[in-house]
Amino acid sequence: DAGVTQSPTHLIKTRGQQVTLRCSPKSGHDTVSWYQQALGQGPQFIFQYYEEEERQRGNFPDRFSGHQFPNYSSELNVNALLLGDSALYLCASSLSFGSTAFGYTFGSGTRLTVV
Amino acid sequence: AQSVTQPDIHITVSEGASLELRCNYSYGATPYLFWYVQSPGQGLQLLLKYFSGDTLVQGIKGFEAEFKRSQSSFNLRKPSVHWSDAAEYFCAVGPDDKIIFGKGTRLHILP
Repeated sequence: DAGVTQSPTHLIKTRGQQVTLRCSPKSGHDTVSWYQQALGQGPQFIFQYYEEEERQRGNFPDRFSGHQFPNYSSELNVNALLLGDSALYLCASSLSFGSTAFGYTFGSGTRLTVV
Repeated sequence: AQSVTQPDIHITVSEGASLELRCNYSYGATPYLFWYVQSPGQGLQLLLKYFSGDTLVQGIKGFEAEFKRSQSSFNLRKPSVHWSDAAEYFCAVGPDDKIIFGKGTRLHILP
């Protein structure tokens, strides 16, 4: 049973560029959440997608956007990259019903470095 | 607003010794509480979770945690640590549709 798959694993971008990160949820899961984990910090909630719509959003600027596809996979897009966007981006999947009640299944993350 | 405090940034214990990692939360109702573990360069793995009922929760890898409502705490314990337990541990609180994480405690194991 495949868990959560994220791609790419590492990425280096230049300030001002745009980046797209991808996530395939665990089999049977239909909700995808994205988290940003800066070095030495806990994960910070970016947003959550269910039924192809953004359901909740954390305190992140509009430069951060996402998408969910009919097969439940998801993309995270970041525009106009800043040095401060350098972080590990984690995707987590869950079941829509009581999504937090059973916790999330996390992927291994995408390490984004902005130079 | 929900929040999680992990007061210890680093903890060092000797292999075979007991372990307790502290977690305090702020939440207006009965929370869902979680402990996750993260090995270097990896995602997070769920160790255990508390919803209701028995306040002592058993998890994977020999870990347990105790929910104390009066102290707003959910401390993680293990009676005897192994070198492979060296990792970062995150306490988290729900049950809104987003889970809020603490800043983590890094566990170091002395041989």
